[in-house]
Amino acid sequence: DVKVTQSSRYLVKRTGEKVFLECVQDMDHENMFWYRQDPGLGLRLIYFSYDVKMKEKGDIPEGYSVSREKKERFSLILESASTNQTSMYLCASSFRGGAGTQYFGPGTRLTVL
Amino acid sequence: SQQGEEDPQALSIQEGENATMNCSYKTSINNLQWYRQNSGRGLVHLILIRSNEREKHSGRLRVTLDTSKKSSSLLITASRAADTASYFCATDYNTDKLIFGTGTRLQVFP
Repeated sequence: DVKVTQSSRYLVKRTGEKVFLECVQDMDHENMFWYRQDPGLGLRLIYFSYDVKMKEKGDIPEGYSVSREKKERFSLILESASTNQTSMYLCASSFRGGAGTQYFGPGTRLTVL
Repeated sequence: SQQGEEDPQALSIQEGENATMNCSYKTSINNLQWYRQNSGRGLVHLILIRSNEREKHSGRLRVTLDTSKKSSSLLITASRAADTASYFCATDYNTDKLIFGTGTRLQVFP
């Protein structure tokens, strides 16, 4: 079974802090994705990556950056957290082609105070 | 926005009844997928239907796709309390990304 893990289930940070969200997949997938999920808005794509050291902006990249130094790990970075970044963050991976089946981690609920 | 729309937004039924939820999308697609999300958890893939397919089954799930109407439906037969979750459709719009809808919240009462 594909397993996607995220570093924290719940996280509370202060405004202005730098926040790292880590995601690891164990199935040698090329593609990895970061989404945020907000009530009434569904999932929105922040960034995605097709290969190591490659990254592409999604629909809402502002205020975020990403890092993919190893194939299995994709990190989302909030350079200076703000209250409007309070959300559920979901990581996903897929084997080949971003539009194929995606496998999701359990999510990180981030609260920025 | 190309985000798809699920209908209804919320659905409450009794165990044993069938649940039908619909998804409409905007432009042409290669495939459409359905995912389930239990409260506060990640999404789980249920089924993928390609644009040249009209119907697909998986256990108690039946998905239909009507490309002329740009719509899909997910039918869950003989619902169980464990089916309580949010259900999302996702479309690719002929790209390498998925666009998720806003979801249908299904509540199945024992």
